[in-house]
Amino acid sequence: DAGITQSPRHKVTETGTPVTLRCHQTENHRYMYWYRQDPGHGLRLIHYSYGVKDTDKGEVSDGYSVSRSKTEDFLLTLESATSSQTSVYFCATNPGQNTEAFFGQGTRLTVV
Amino acid sequence: QKEVEQNSGPLSVPEGAIASLNCTYSDRVSQSFFWYRQYSGKSPELIMSIYSNGDKEDGRFTAQLNKASQYVSLLIRDSQPSDSATYLCAVIPGGKLIFGQGTELSVKP
Repeated sequence: DAGITQSPRHKVTETGTPVTLRCHQTENHRYMYWYRQDPGHGLRLIHYSYGVKDTDKGEVSDGYSVSRSKTEDFLLTLESATSSQTSVYFCATNPGQNTEAFFGQGTRLTVV
Repeated sequence: QKEVEQNSGPLSVPEGAIASLNCTYSDRVSQSFFWYRQYSGKSPELIMSIYSNGDKEDGRFTAQLNKASQYVSLLIRDSQPSDSATYLCAVIPGGKLIFGQGTELSVKP
């Protein structure tokens, strides 16, 4: 499996606080993705990156920002967490456009 | 219209039967198509990729692609209880990796 590590694995936070999730990969993959997964909705794309400092929005980007200052790290920030952002977050990476992607272990985030 | 659509199921088949999972997509520029399996509480894992029209077989799994009909399917032969999981279809229009909502498969002994 690709070396993709998400941190933290679990987090409980209070409404209104900022939260940053980290995705770290050791595969030198160009593309990185952040998804959230909720019952009945499958995997929904939040943001993705196609290179260092190159990012674009997905279908559910409101309330989220991302940064990618180096190839191996892709950060997802919730500027002011809300209860609707309680979810399981997955990171995925692939080496190039149209190639197979691999997932991290996921982060379970609870906003209370 | 969603970019990738799957029947959410659940799809229930008896052990040893063929399970057929279907997926349609809306963006004709998509060139790559994937099937992932996800067990409850786990990350999705890639089981099949297909890039050309026709069939691709890997063990008990066969992926079928029809770009003209914008349709991709996954057949699982000799289904086993261990195949019980959610199966996710994915496509990559323009660099974005987009998933369907997944089909829950239950294989009954």
